[in-house]
Amino acid sequence: GAVVSQHPSWVICKSGTSVKIECRSLDFQATTMFWYRQFPKQSLMLMATSNEGSKATYEQGVEKDKFLINHASLTLSTLTVTSAHPEDSSFYICSARVGRERVNEQFFGPGTRLTVL
Amino acid sequence: AQSVAQPEDQVNVAEGNPLTVKCTYSVSGNPYLFWYVQYPNRGLQFLLKYITGDNLVKGSYGFEAEFNKSQTSFHLKKPSALVSDSALYFCAVRYRNSGNTPLVFGKGTRLSVIA
Repeated sequence: GAVVSQHPSWVICKSGTSVKIECRSLDFQATTMFWYRQFPKQSLMLMATSNEGSKATYEQGVEKDKFLINHASLTLSTLTVTSAHPEDSSFYICSARVGRERVNEQFFGPGTRLTVL
Repeated sequence: AQSVAQPEDQVNVAEGNPLTVKCTYSVSGNPYLFWYVQYPNRGLQFLLKYITGDNLVKGSYGFEAEFNKSQTSFHLKKPSALVSDSALYFCAVRYRNSGNTPLVFGKGTRLSVIA
């Protein structure tokens, strides 16, 4: 149980286009989802925290108008990179926290590698 | 503020030898502590966690970690390393009573097990 999926697993796009990444909790309801970004050989950096039905909370330095997060339901969150540029190329990982039953655990998706040409 | 330090970028160990990956934390309250492993181009896989109780925590794939409050450490250990253990390991911390805050990760330690 507690599986988190991401789609797509990798994407290549042209500079200036927008890319949407989906994160789904497959067998549980995730009241909170987190989006992380990982550069090569570096740790995961938290981008934003989103609760179902409310606006995401962004970390300092993360542009909310560039990285649009929608947490439409308890099983789906999306991250849209708008007007992508080469510096946005990175590995994006979502994470979902289980509800009240196992409040301490975060489960991670497999990640999405974005390459902007 | 909560933070995690992994002092070693790289750990090399011979197959069959014991391995240790170090982690120290800094939190103002009581922490929840976690270890995750990441294989190339993959997401994170949960290994083990310390919440409360016994300071020695046993996890997946034969790994274990010991919570040491006086030294604020949570080192990951395995008695006999396998080549397949080669991966990137992350220590993470979260406040015990921090509501909805996420995990905070260390920078990661790359483990290389040599046959």
